[in-house]
Amino acid sequence: AQKITQTQPGMFVQEKEAVTLDCTYDTSDPSYGLFWYKQPSSGEMIFLIYQGSYDQQNATEGRYSLNFQKARKSANLVISASQLGDSAMYFCAMREEENFNKFYFGSGTKLNVKP
Amino acid sequence: GAGVSQSPSNKVTEKGKDVELRCDPISGHTALYWYRQSLGQGLEFLIYFQGNSAPDKSGLPSDRFSAERTGGSVSTLTIQRTQQEDSAVYLCASSTTTQATDTQYFGPGTRLTVL
Repeated sequence: AQKITQTQPGMFVQEKEAVTLDCTYDTSDPSYGLFWYKQPSSGEMIFLIYQGSYDQQNATEGRYSLNFQKARKSANLVISASQLGDSAMYFCAMREEENFNKFYFGSGTKLNVKP
Repeated sequence: GAGVSQSPSNKVTEKGKDVELRCDPISGHTALYWYRQSLGQGLEFLIYFQGNSAPDKSGLPSDRFSAERTGGSVSTLTIQRTQQEDSAVYLCASSTTTQATDTQYFGPGTRLTVL
């Protein structure tokens, strides 16, 4: 089974609207971390937000928030007030405490923000 | 401070030639990762270094691939007898400790084209 699943290969959103990018994960480790990265067309991977498995509250970083539903094993990224500069690939990733050598990445979602 | 740097940014080589890709991690980061990203795809884990421990080479696709990390800092990924399917962006990342909560910081990548 895949560790990280991102089911939306591509998404469109109107500028200034909010968008949710889906991510589900699979692990039996009780301790893990979930990460979202942004990859613009220039290619660099930019860390956006982190959620720990024991965190009681959803993580937020500026316009980014993580909708963490532990029982459903989902960690969706919410971008509020989309901007043209948000157009990029977005990757969800997980790291397990038991096997901390490995980051597992999803296949990514290509977000296009329309003016 | 300075981020992760990689060189060269672009490399074009002929099939059968050897190439070396370099990564300078963030100072003080003990963990270093190499990933491969084919066009439009997610990240494929290649190898991981942590301090003076033996590297995790489980992601290397063949024995043509090798990597070393000298002095716990700079790392070199070597691909021998390159093949066209080796064409990809090679990303390096570093992180501090190895708790599940620690994120990686990525370099800009090396785009390898094998003709």
